[in-house]
Amino acid sequence: KQEVTQIPAALSVPEGENLVLNCSFTDSAIYNLQWFRQDPGKGLTSLLLIQSSQREQTSGRLNASLDKSSGRSTLYIAASQPGDSATYLCAVIKAAGNKLTFGGGTRVLVKP
Amino acid sequence: KAGVTQTPRYLIKTRGQQVTLSCSPISGHRSVSWYQQTPGQGLQFLFEYFSETQRNKGNFPGRFSGRQFSNSRSEMNVSTLELGDSALYLCASSLGPGGAEAFFGQGTRLTVV
Repeated sequence: KQEVTQIPAALSVPEGENLVLNCSFTDSAIYNLQWFRQDPGKGLTSLLLIQSSQREQTSGRLNASLDKSSGRSTLYIAASQPGDSATYLCAVIKAAGNKLTFGGGTRVLVKP
Repeated sequence: KAGVTQTPRYLIKTRGQQVTLSCSPISGHRSVSWYQQTPGQGLQFLFEYFSETQRNKGNFPGRFSGRQFSNSRSEMNVSTLELGDSALYLCASSLGPGGAEAFFGQGTRLTVV
């Protein structure tokens, strides 16, 4: 059974600092991995999708890496801003189909 | 381009009642998945539909059911509501059947009293 873990559960940083968010999964036979952002009481916003054949994906200040062999992905957010405060979730898709298995999320607070 | 639309946004129901939630995917997307989000359990997969067929089902009781229509819109139904069914129900839309990027709606907040 695939398990996804995100540590730490919460993180507080001063504005301008780079954010490093971790995601680990137990079964390396994944199809792809997706990072999301969730604001309180809202739905999920897709940030980045990394296919299993890729090592990293970039979008603006965001960069996500994937190491299937070690079961890890890392989301980097450069030069954090207060608007980056949210919960960040990673999810993996194991095989055919679109079932996402989610981690518990990391709640991020960027202090001005 | 319109996103994923879920209706209603908020619902209050009484124990024992039933409820139907609706999800309209992004135009052209044929896969719709449903998730339940609670503070204690996080995000849990309910089921996935593609071309009107249920392809995957999560570990939820039979009180939870769903369907997908020919226009890809989907509904989920929960019968005999329990207090523990209070949650944010999220719908995700994907273009194709396998590993496509998922786009989520704003969710339906269900409160069972």
